[in-house]
Amino acid sequence: DIVLTQSPGTLSLSPGESATLSCRASQSVSSSFLAWYQQKPGQAPRLLIYGASARATGIPDRFSGRGSGTDFTLNITGLDPEDFAVYYCHQFGRSPQTFGQGTKVELK
Amino acid sequence: QVQLQESGPGLVRPSEPLSLSCTVSGASISSHYWSWIRQSPGKGLEWIGYVYYSGSTRYNPSLENRVSISIDKSKTQFFLNMRALTAADTAVYYCARWLCAGINCPGLDVWGQGTTVSVSS
Repeated sequence: DIVLTQSPGTLSLSPGESATLSCRASQSVSSSFLAWYQQKPGQAPRLLIYGASARATGIPDRFSGRGSGTDFTLNITGLDPEDFAVYYCHQFGRSPQTFGQGTKVELK
Repeated sequence: QVQLQESGPGLVRPSEPLSLSCTVSGASISSHYWSWIRQSPGKGLEWIGYVYYSGSTRYNPSLENRVSISIDKSKTQFFLNMRALTAADTAVYYCARWLCAGINCPGLDVWGQGTTVSVSS
C-alpha cells in the first residue's frame, strides 16, 4: 500500500496567516491521482484540490496545491476563520486508495 | 445538486453482519464509481471499496474477505455488506461518488453525511 505521511500534525495559526501542509508518499504517485480534502467537526470531508493542483468547484483561490512524485503541498494563503479544520491528502493512482492521517489547522 | 444519504443500523453485535445502503439523488447512478469509506479515531480515513455502475467492484485487500459492495440502479442505491464485525469496525461510514474517467479523476467529489456504526454487545 502507498503510505501518505502528512506534516505537521497540527498547525496553530491566526486568521490572515498562511499555512503550508505537506503530504509525502512512500512511493511515487501520479499527480493526476492526488487530491486534498477539508473536514470540519461532524461533517464529511470536502474535496478541495484534485490533480494535485486543480481547485474543485466553488473552492476559493486562497487554496492552492502543487507537487509531484512523492512530495505534495497544500497552501492556504490568508487563513479565513472558516478554514480552521483538518486536511487530508488522498491518492487513488494505485489500489488500495489511501489517505494521509491529516493535518489539523487550529486557531492560535 | 447531487446528494448521497447513508442508512443502516447504528449498533451491531460482535460477529454479526452489517448492511448499509446509500441513496443517490440529483445524478444518474448509471455512471461513475460509487465508494464506501470509513473513519475511526484509531485508523483515520480508510477506503473500503467501490462499485462501478456496471456492477464491477474493487475492495481494499485488508477487508476483501469480509466485504461486498453492490448496486441497484433501479433504486438509485448502492450497498455495503460486511460480515463478522468486531469492535475494530466501529467507525463512521461514508458513501461517496468517485469521479474517474481515464486520466481525468477529480476524486471523491460528493460525500454522504456519514452514519455511525458501533459494534458492541
